[in-house]
This record gives sequence, C-alpha cells and structure tokens, in this order.
Amino acid sequence: EDKVVQSPLSLVVHEGDTVTLNCSYEVTNFRSLLWYKQEKKAPTFLFMLTSSGIEKKSGRLSSILDKKELFSILNITATQTGDSAVYLCAVVNSGTYKYIFGTGTRLKVLA
Amino acid sequence: DAGITQSPRHKVTETGTPVTLRCHQTENHRYMYWYRQDPGHGLRLIHYSYGVKDTDKGEVSDGYSVSRSKTEDFLLTLESATSSQTSVYFCAISENRQETQYFGPGTRLLVL
Repeated sequence: EDKVVQSPLSLVVHEGDTVTLNCSYEVTNFRSLLWYKQEKKAPTFLFMLTSSGIEKKSGRLSSILDKKELFSILNITATQTGDSAVYLCAVVNSGTYKYIFGTGTRLKVLA
Repeated sequence: DAGITQSPRHKVTETGTPVTLRCHQTENHRYMYWYRQDPGHGLRLIHYSYGVKDTDKGEVSDGYSVSRSKTEDFLLTLESATSSQTSVYFCAISENRQETQYFGPGTRLLVL
C-alpha cells in the first residue's frame, strides 16, 4: 500500500529560526513529490520534485528529493509568523496519477 | 490563484438528509477531484472526473456520488448523510492528469 509519512507532526519555533520538515514515502510507482502549504483554507502549491538532488527554491523556502532513500525535506530559513501553517507532502503514483498525502506537519512560528 | 469556488462554504445538516456540494472552476481544466480531510488522515480522494460525464472512484467513495454535466461544475452528493461524513471537503482541478492539482477553499460539513 502506498504511504507517505511526515515528521515531525508539529513544531513550534521562534521568528528567525530555520526549520526542516521531513517527508518519507513508499509508493509502488513514483512519479513526483509535491509540497503544499495550508493555512486556514485551501492547500496552496509550493514545489514539485521529480529528480533526486536538484534543489527547488522559492525565497526562504527550499526543498530537495532523495529517490534512493525515499524522502524529501522542506527547509524554511529565517522563519516569520506568516510561515505558520500546516505543510502537506503528497506523492504521485505514476501508474494511477493519484496523489497520496501525508497527514502534514503543523508549524507555529512565535513572534 | 486558480479560479475555483466551492459552495456552500459551511453546512450543518442532520443524519439521513441528502447533501450536495458544488465545485465550480473558471480554468477550463479537464480534471476535477473531490477530497475529504480529517484529523489524523491526509487528504483522501473520494471521486474524480476526467471529463464531462466521465467519473471514477477514489479510495473513500462509499456513501458518495458525483456528477459532471458541464466542464466547469463538479457536484458531490451524500445521498443520506451520516456523522462519519462530517469533514472538510476540498475540490481540486488539474489541466490533465499529469499536471499539478490546485485546490478550492473547502467546505466544512457537520452532520448531526
């Protein structure tokens, strides 16, 4: 059965800290891995990763994929209170194109 | 933001009543999806559509039906709501099945 596990479940940091969120997966046919940010409503797309070792970057956020060890990390540097959200990881099965979501990491950034 | 709206945004209903949730898109995307989100679970796929009148089941489809009579609208129906269907429901769209899915704002449903 395809599975995505995110860790930690929740995290509290102070503004300016750097955080690393983890996503490990088991999937029969891997196509891609996606990160979403969910504040109070819709998950919003952050990154799609398909190749190992290539960092995707957007401002203070970056992410990388390791297809050999079957995980991805999402880094946020110089955190701000606006980064407080649930971060979701999803893996796409290349046979079905269906998304398998993890349960998310809840990040709270204190001023 | 992708042009996706969901209605209603909040609904309280009683066990045994029918409920229909609507997803509307202005992007002319072919694929539309319904997910539910519950504590301790990731987003789970209920049903999806790959074109007008073309739908298929997801992993948690029992108790739900869908219809798509127009490209822009995808309806989710709970024929007889149960308390286990209390959840937040998200619609998503993608241009085709290989492309990234973009999510609507969600509908919070409470079944008493």
